[in-house]
Amino acid sequence: KAGVTQTPRYLIKTRGQQVTLSCSPISGHRSVSWYQQTPGQGLQFLFEYFSETQRNKGNFPGRFSGRQFSNSRSEMNVSTLELGDSALYLCASSLAYEQVGGYTFGSGTRLTVV
Amino acid sequence: GIQVEQSPPDLILQEGANSTLRCNFSDSVNNLQWFHQNPWGQLINLFYIPSGTKQNGRLSATTVATERYSLLYISSSQTTDSGVYFCAVGGGATNKLIFGTGTLLAVQP
Repeated sequence: KAGVTQTPRYLIKTRGQQVTLSCSPISGHRSVSWYQQTPGQGLQFLFEYFSETQRNKGNFPGRFSGRQFSNSRSEMNVSTLELGDSALYLCASSLAYEQVGGYTFGSGTRLTVV
Repeated sequence: GIQVEQSPPDLILQEGANSTLRCNFSDSVNNLQWFHQNPWGQLINLFYIPSGTKQNGRLSATTVATERYSLLYISSSQTTDSGVYFCAVGGGATNKLIFGTGTLLAVQP
């Protein structure tokens, strides 16, 4: 079966712009989480969605937002981009909210802000 | 929140050698996963192992939940095993994964 699909793979944006990243979970998976990876901070949790509702949010400013659609696909948006937002953004899906079976990650979107 | 520590931070091996990576966590968890991050950034799920022992080919993992640690064993290492290995745990009131800082493994031919 298809894995977790993230688009686009690479992005270059200018400071002040906004960006939208997309994640399609494994078919049948209803929970989608987003993580940011940077050399300085490592892998940090952004937010999690289950059944179109945000269930958890990490310690990130309000410029970072997301949503989940009825087909479980998710998007995250970053507004007013800053240089520090340059990172690898990873999406993960799991079958249910209870994490049974664990998470499967996509290939990520590498965002560069110039 | 839960703290996750991985050791060693770096490891250099000759091809064919065996290795053990360790993950300590500070509280009880209901999820523990080992991942290998490939050069393109993707996190490959190696094991979902909140407790017990599992094996998959040359890799095996053991989690002793009561003592709050997990071990990842790599036997007969190959150059393709190179990369960063992450331990991640989940538990408590939130559903998020908390990652360790990783072990950077380099397998030399």
